Amino acid sequence: EAGVAQSPRYKIIEKRQSVAFWCNPISGHATLYWYQQILGQGPKLLIQFQNNGVVDDSQLPKDRFSAERLKGVDSTLKIQPAKLEDSAVYLCASSWRGLAGVADTQYFGPGTRLTVL
Amino acid sequence: ILNVEQSPQSLHVQEGDSTNFTCSFPSSNFYALHWYRWETAKSPEALFVMTLNGDEKKKGRISATLNTKEGYSYLYIKGSQPEDSATYLCAFATDSWGKLQFGAGTQVVVTP
Repeated sequence: EAGVAQSPRYKIIEKRQSVAFWCNPISGHATLYWYQQILGQGPKLLIQFQNNGVVDDSQLPKDRFSAERLKGVDSTLKIQPAKLEDSAVYLCASSWRGLAGVADTQYFGPGTRLTVL
Repeated sequence: ILNVEQSPQSLHVQEGDSTNFTCSFPSSNFYALHWYRWETAKSPEALFVMTLNGDEKKKGRISATLNTKEGYSYLYIKGSQPEDSATYLCAFATDSWGKLQFGAGTQVVVTP
């Protein structure tokens, strides 16, 4: 079974530029998550999709971050414009979201390491 | 935002030694606790999902216990090997949708 795919793996941009990340979840997984992991901290949930609907985006800085999951499969996360404090690893994860949703294992991709100069 | 605390922040272990570390979480409104292992340049790997007070899970040399009444979980590594070197993250499910609040992790370095 193929895992969660993310691209690019690394990105370096100047502040105020735009950047986009792509994620392809495990086939058949209904739930998709985007996390931001700043050095020294645990991953923080930015947005959670159930199929192509948003379940939670309470911690997404909506003035600069946007995400979509068209057709309920792959997803893109965009930052426009980027700030220095956006330097982090952006992780995508997916889960099956069966009846035991709260205990569903989340499967993570390798992440995109973003550096904003 | 509910706080999930992990201690220690890092530890060094000699190959062959056993070790353990702690995850503390709010004891009210418990849904589930997840443990992940994150090796450098790899994807975080799921180790355990624990839902019941008193749960004990085991995977090879790694095991975990859960106490939901007092709000803590222990992860044990028996006979540490260099390949156990990683950051171990715990995550507390904060709602019925499985939204996870992660701790900052315990970085384990196993030296030969």
